[in-house]
Amino acid sequence: AQTVTQSQPEMSVQEAETVTLSCTYDTSESDYYLFWYKQPPSRQMILVIRQEAYKQQNATENRFSVNFQKAAKSFSLKISDSQLGDAAMYFCAYRRYGNKLVFGAGTILRVKS
Amino acid sequence: DTEVTQTPKHLVMGMTNKKSLKCEQHMGHRAMYWYKQKAKKPPELMFVYSYEKLSINESVPSRFSPECPNSSLLNLHLHALQPEDSALYLCASSQGVRGRANEQYFGPGTRLTVT
Repeated sequence: AQTVTQSQPEMSVQEAETVTLSCTYDTSESDYYLFWYKQPPSRQMILVIRQEAYKQQNATENRFSVNFQKAAKSFSLKISDSQLGDAAMYFCAYRRYGNKLVFGAGTILRVKS
Repeated sequence: DTEVTQTPKHLVMGMTNKKSLKCEQHMGHRAMYWYKQKAKKPPELMFVYSYEKLSINESVPSRFSPECPNSSLLNLHLHALQPEDSALYLCASSQGVRGRANEQYFGPGTRLTVT
């Protein structure tokens, strides 16, 4: 069975600085998808970024980028120029074909002003 | 319009009550999902509907009864719940259930409290 591990229960970052959230996963598949979701205190889960395993190029969305290391089964999220609005719980998630997302335990990100 | 709406936002119900949660999307998505989320935990999948048919039931107790009247609407009927069922209930939708993309879009959730 696939598992997703987020080893950092909480992280803090100073406003305008850069922070990296870690995620590792376990799978025997070669083709799959990885996602980072953000859930602020307002509760809504928002898709931040996605990565297709067959793509070698790391995905980027504005201030958010990933470091995808397929051989190491690692998928970290880098947030540049952190803003107060980035404070949230971040979930890493894995999906192969089909419709089940496997979530990590989550990382609470605090942004200090 | 990439929006999934859920009503009500908050719901308090007794253990003998019957209530329903509603979820709606107008993105033309053909897959819809119900998740249960406890505080500071990841969402747990409950049900998946694909083309208005139930395709996954994650061994959810029968006191939760899903319904998909049409491709835009998903309901969750609640009856004889227990206090441990208190949680945030999230609805999500995706374009389909297979294929290369199909990322799930989530609604804002219904905060359910069972007294």
